[in-house]
Amino acid sequence: SAVISQKPSRDICQRGTSLTIQCQVDSQVTMMFWYRQQPGQSLTLIATANQGSEATYESGFVIDKFPISRPNLTFSTLTVSNMSPEDSSIYLCSVLPEDGSQETQYFGPGTRLLVL
Amino acid sequence: QKEVEQDPGPLSVPEGAIVSLNCTYSNSAFQYFMWYRQYSRKGPELLMYTYSSGNKEDGRFTAQVDKSSKYISLFIRDSQPSDSATYLCAIFTYSGAGSYQLTFGKGTKLSVIP
Repeated sequence: SAVISQKPSRDICQRGTSLTIQCQVDSQVTMMFWYRQQPGQSLTLIATANQGSEATYESGFVIDKFPISRPNLTFSTLTVSNMSPEDSSIYLCSVLPEDGSQETQYFGPGTRLLVL
Repeated sequence: QKEVEQDPGPLSVPEGAIVSLNCTYSNSAFQYFMWYRQYSRKGPELLMYTYSSGNKEDGRFTAQVDKSSKYISLFIRDSQPSDSATYLCAIFTYSGAGSYQLTFGKGTKLSVIP
């Protein structure tokens, strides 16, 4: 398993500003993921952030809007840029433990973002 | 048609009831069938998963998969107030060369009333 923490846990932001969300894992992991969970919607994968390579974005998500950093095997950041009210959502970090099977992802507690 | 359909509820049951949560899916390539539980203001936690048709039990929880009808279920026996949470079905597909996809349903919000 893996213990994941995220900062901030919640924030209220003004439109046009940017917010950087941090994800810290208690063990080294190669594969990390960023998800968005909008009210009434499915968990949606934003991007896969593997250490040592550029992040891979899913359809509908672009690097200019959601830049990601992955400086080491225990840490990643997701920035939500030039925010609008439509970006209000829960943002979740997820990892695949190195000693686990590929289908067992673990999730952080999420960052609740409200954009006014 | 969305790849994974799940009734969002909400579902409210009395303590001790048997709960049935269901999802349907459209992609026959899906390989692993998972259930996540998400408490309020927490991230999803993996409850159980299976990859074959049939039943898999873990304590009060039973996951059931019917690949012929593309239907998955989670049953909770002797439901407790602590089971009150949102339950997300998710389906995992591995397409080779390190590429895979985890597709979630919208989640069903369950309340178990004491």
